[in-house]
Amino acid sequence: EDQVTQSPEALRLQEGESSSLNCSYTVSGLRGLFWYRQDPGKGPEFLFTLYSAGEEKEKERLKATLTKKESFLHITAPKPEDSATYLCAVQAAETSGSRLTFGEGTQLTVNP
Amino acid sequence: DSGVTQTPKHLITATGQRVTLRCSPRSGDLSVYWYQQSLDQGLQFLIQYYNGEERAKGNILERFSAQQFPDLHSELNLSSLELGDSALYFCASSVDSGGWASGQETQYFGPGTRLLVL
Repeated sequence: EDQVTQSPEALRLQEGESSSLNCSYTVSGLRGLFWYRQDPGKGPEFLFTLYSAGEEKEKERLKATLTKKESFLHITAPKPEDSATYLCAVQAAETSGSRLTFGEGTQLTVNP
Repeated sequence: DSGVTQTPKHLITATGQRVTLRCSPRSGDLSVYWYQQSLDQGLQFLIQYYNGEERAKGNILERFSAQQFPDLHSELNLSSLELGDSALYFCASSVDSGGWASGQETQYFGPGTRLLVL
């Protein structure tokens, strides 16, 4: 069974204080690892897809990296508008269909 | 705006009732997915349709059913509702024509329907 574990559950940062979120996964053949951002009461907003170990992707203050067992979302010099829940999900290559298995998320708060 | 639309935004109903949630995928997307998000369980996959055919099922209750119509919009039917069915229900869509590392597998989520069962 595919599993995704995210840590920490919650993270509070000061504006400009860089940090990293962790996503550990076990999956029967990885088709893709996805990062989403979710604001309260809203739908998840797509950020990145990573396909293979060693891959990195960047968008503004966010950078996602992937190894064979985990992914990191690095946040550089965060701003209050980066406050949200960040979700990690995996898609397995060997199961029927294209379901995503999500972690519980990391709730990020950036204080001004 | 992801391009995925869902109606209604909010739904309040009573136990034992039946409701229908509707989803229109992004233009060109053939796959539609339904997910449930409750406070204690996070985002859980319910079911996937691809071009009108059921492709995958998650832990969807027998009281729940879905379908995808020829115009590719989808409906999720929830019947004999219980208090525990109160949750956010999200629809997502993707191209998903089988390509690898092509971006076609990326799922884009709608704004969700908040269901409250009283």
